[in-house]
Amino acid sequence: ELKVEQNPLFLSMQEGKNYTIYCNYSTTSDRLYWYRQDPGKSLESLFVLLSNGAVKQEGRLMASLDTKARLSTLHITAAVHDLSATYFCAGQRSNYQLIWGAGTKLIIKP
Amino acid sequence: NAGVTQTPKFQVLKTGQSMTLQCAQDMNHEYMSWYRQDPGMGLRLIHYSVGAGITDQGEVPNGYNVSRSTTEDFPLRLLSAAPSQTSVYFCASSYSKGRIEAFFGQGTRLTVV
Repeated sequence: ELKVEQNPLFLSMQEGKNYTIYCNYSTTSDRLYWYRQDPGKSLESLFVLLSNGAVKQEGRLMASLDTKARLSTLHITAAVHDLSATYFCAGQRSNYQLIWGAGTKLIIKP
Repeated sequence: NAGVTQTPKFQVLKTGQSMTLQCAQDMNHEYMSWYRQDPGMGLRLIHYSVGAGITDQGEVPNGYNVSRSTTEDFPLRLLSAAPSQTSVYFCASSYSKGRIEAFFGQGTRLTVV
């Protein structure tokens, strides 16, 4: 059964710093998804990682996937306040089901 | 395009009451799903549908019913509300099977007292 674990669950950091959020999953997951959620808002898709070694970048965020290690990372470069949000990863258990991590609440202080 | 539209945004129910959460999408997506979000637990799949007339259970289906009579609409029914169903509910739709990158509605915050 696919299980997805994120760490850390909470992260407070200063603007300008770099940091990484980790997403481990327990069994095979063909794809890995990253989402962002602002407080009281809906979820927004950030990245879809389709294969081993996949790397995607959007602005200060970069996501990667290592299917052999069952690990995906979301790296934040030179953080800015606007990136404060909760970030979720999700693995794909079948054609129709996503299994979600608990989320990482990221607070970036000026 | 409006995307995925959920109503209502907020609802308070008394224990034992029933209600329907509405979800509609205008993107002609085949796949639709309902999730609940609880603090510290991520999202959990309640029910999903792969097309009109086809539904199936997710991880936490008890106490909920769904139907899919059209491609656009996927309502979620709470049969007899319980305090344990206090949560934020999200409806989502996706292009197709395989790659189920989901587009989410704005959510319904439900409180059962």
